[in-house]
Amino acid sequence: AQKITQTQPGMFVQEKEAVTLDCTYDTSDPSYGLFWYKQPSSGEMIFLIYQGSYDQQNATEGRYSLNFQKARKSANLVISASQLGDSAMYFCAMREEATGNQFYFGTGTSLTVIP
Amino acid sequence: NAGVTQTPKFRVLKTGQSMTLLCAQDMNHEYMYWYRQDPGMGLRLIHYSVGEGTTAKGEVPDGYNVSRLKKQNFLLGLESAAPSQTSVYFCASRIIRTPDTEAFFGQGTRLTVV
Repeated sequence: AQKITQTQPGMFVQEKEAVTLDCTYDTSDPSYGLFWYKQPSSGEMIFLIYQGSYDQQNATEGRYSLNFQKARKSANLVISASQLGDSAMYFCAMREEATGNQFYFGTGTSLTVIP
Repeated sequence: NAGVTQTPKFRVLKTGQSMTLLCAQDMNHEYMYWYRQDPGMGLRLIHYSVGEGTTAKGEVPDGYNVSRLKKQNFLLGLESAAPSQTSVYFCASRIIRTPDTEAFFGQGTRLTVV
């Protein structure tokens, strides 16, 4: 079974609008962490935001927030006020405490911001 | 501060040739990883290391070997390259101290096997 599922291969958003990128995960470990990375066309992987399984509040980092719904095992990334520079691939990843050495990645969502 | 540096950035190999990809990090991180990225498949873990002298297999280890003789370096070897190993390879490292620490990535190596 896939540990991380991203069901949106491609998304479009109008500049200055908000967009939600979906991520669901599968784990039986009560202790885990969820990460989002951005990969622009230049290829590097840029860390955006982290959410721990025991965190009571949704994580936020500037225009990025994570909509964490633990019971539904979803960790959607919300980007507010989209900018042209947000056009990139976005990857959701998970690290389980029990197998803490590995990061499991989803297949990614390609986001295009339209002027 | 260099972070994670991969060498080389690009390489073209002929089928059957061998090569070694070098990953170097200057952050004193314990964990290091090698991933491959293929279209539509995200990043898949090849091998990883939890410290100097230790390595372990990831999701797709076949056809690759690794070594971590020094804490700062993690080498990925292809003994006999195959076209199926055409991919973009990423090295990453992470400190062990707290569970919320992210992995830091190198800039990637684009490998083509013809």
